[in-house]
Amino acid sequence: AQSVTQLDSQVPVFEEAPVELRCNYSSSVSVYLFWYVQYPNQGLQLLLKYLSGSTLVKGINGFEAEFNKSQTSFHLRKPSVHISDTAEYFCAVTGGSYIPTFGRGTSLIVHP
Amino acid sequence: EAGVAQSPRYKIIEKRQSVAFWCNPISGHATLYWYQQILGQGPKLLIQFQNNGVVDDSQLPKDRFSAERLKGVDSTLKIQPAKLEDSAVYLCASSPDSNTGELFFGEGSRLTVL
Repeated sequence: AQSVTQLDSQVPVFEEAPVELRCNYSSSVSVYLFWYVQYPNQGLQLLLKYLSGSTLVKGINGFEAEFNKSQTSFHLRKPSVHISDTAEYFCAVTGGSYIPTFGRGTSLIVHP
Repeated sequence: EAGVAQSPRYKIIEKRQSVAFWCNPISGHATLYWYQQILGQGPKLLIQFQNNGVVDDSQLPKDRFSAERLKGVDSTLKIQPAKLEDSAVYLCASSPDSNTGELFFGEGSRLTVL
């Protein structure tokens, strides 16, 4: 079985500042990793995914994440955030069962 | 391409009543998931279908929850009788490839049980 830990429940940041949302996972097998974003009253939307290959993956809206196998991490970063990035962000992992397991989410709050 | 469709978007019921949610996945997506998202938590898998067969329903409270996907396309999730703790958003997702876990979500159905 796999599990996901999102270390921060809430991350406040000022507009145009950089941000990192942390995600650690555990799995006994090779994994696929995902970040999803959820805006208020909406479903989840895929931001980016790591399936194989380069450990640095780029997604939509200027986000990127780096897969670190030795540290079992998949942290999400953006060099300069906007007010519109305010949302809930979920890290997810699939292991041997290929059924995604989600973290509890991190609320990104961007202040003007 | 049309996305995952869910209805109703909002439902308020009394405890012990029943409710049903409907989902139509993206055309051609063989895999369909129902997740429960309680306020402040991440989505939790209830059931996964591959075409019209159940792949995993180990976390579905079968004494009150049921789900079906009879023709391998749209799906219905039913709760009967509802409890207060069933208040949540019920998310339907579909996937073209069950071997990666990349999901396409609908907007969800928010259930409030009073």
